[in-house]
Amino acid sequence: GENVEQHPSTLSVQEGDSAVIKCTYSDSASNYFPWYKQELGKGPQLIIDIRSNVGEKKDQRIAVTLNKTAKHFSLHITETQPEDSAVYFCAASKAAGNKLTFGGGTRVLVKP
Amino acid sequence: NAGVMQNPRHLVRRRGQEARLRCSPMKGHSHVYWYRQLPEEGLKFMVYLQKENIIDESGMPKERFSAEFPKEGPSILRIQQVVRGDSAAYFCASSPSLGSGAGGYTFGSGTRLTVV
Repeated sequence: GENVEQHPSTLSVQEGDSAVIKCTYSDSASNYFPWYKQELGKGPQLIIDIRSNVGEKKDQRIAVTLNKTAKHFSLHITETQPEDSAVYFCAASKAAGNKLTFGGGTRVLVKP
Repeated sequence: NAGVMQNPRHLVRRRGQEARLRCSPMKGHSHVYWYRQLPEEGLKFMVYLQKENIIDESGMPKERFSAEFPKEGPSILRIQQVVRGDSAAYFCASSPSLGSGAGGYTFGSGTRLTVV
C-alpha cells in the first residue's frame, strides 16, 4: 500500500519568513495530493491540493509543488503569520474523494 | 449549509464498555470515511462507506470495530469492549462522490474517545 513520509516533524520560523514542508510517497498510482491544516482540538481543514497533471499550484501565500518522477511534493508558506501556527499534514490518494494516506504531520510555530 | 457533524465531541468510557460515534455528512454527500488519530500522529484510514454499503474496510481492526451508514440517519462507528489503546480522536469525512473532482472531502471536528 501507499506510504507517505513527511519532514520536518517540527518547524519554527520567524514571522514573515517562509516555511517549507516536504513529503514523499511510494505508490506511483497516486495522483491526488492534498494538504491539511489542523488546529488544536479541531478537524483537519483542506488548504490546498494538487493533481498529478499539474506541477505547481498557488493560492495567495500558499503554494504546492509536485514532482511525480521523484514522487515528492512540497508545501510552501510565504510571509508567515502567527495564525499559520498549526499542524500541517500532507496526504496522497489515487483520486480526489478516495481514501487518503497521511504523512506524520509537521508542527509549525510562527514566532512573532 | 452545515458541515460534517460529529457527536459526541468527547466520550469517556470504562474498559469493556461500548462506544458509539456518530457522523452526519454534509447535505448532499453520500460517501463517508472514518479516520483515527492517535496522539501526536497522523490520521489513519479505517473505513469508507456509502449508503447501506461498506466499500472499503481495509483499515478497520478485525475485532470489536464495526461501522454502518444506514439509508436514514447518521453513520455510526461502533467499538465494543473498549480498551485503553482505543483512546484516540476519531474523525469522519464526507464527499459527494468518488473522484468528484471537487477537491476531495470535508472533515468533521472529531470525537475524542478516552478509555479509563
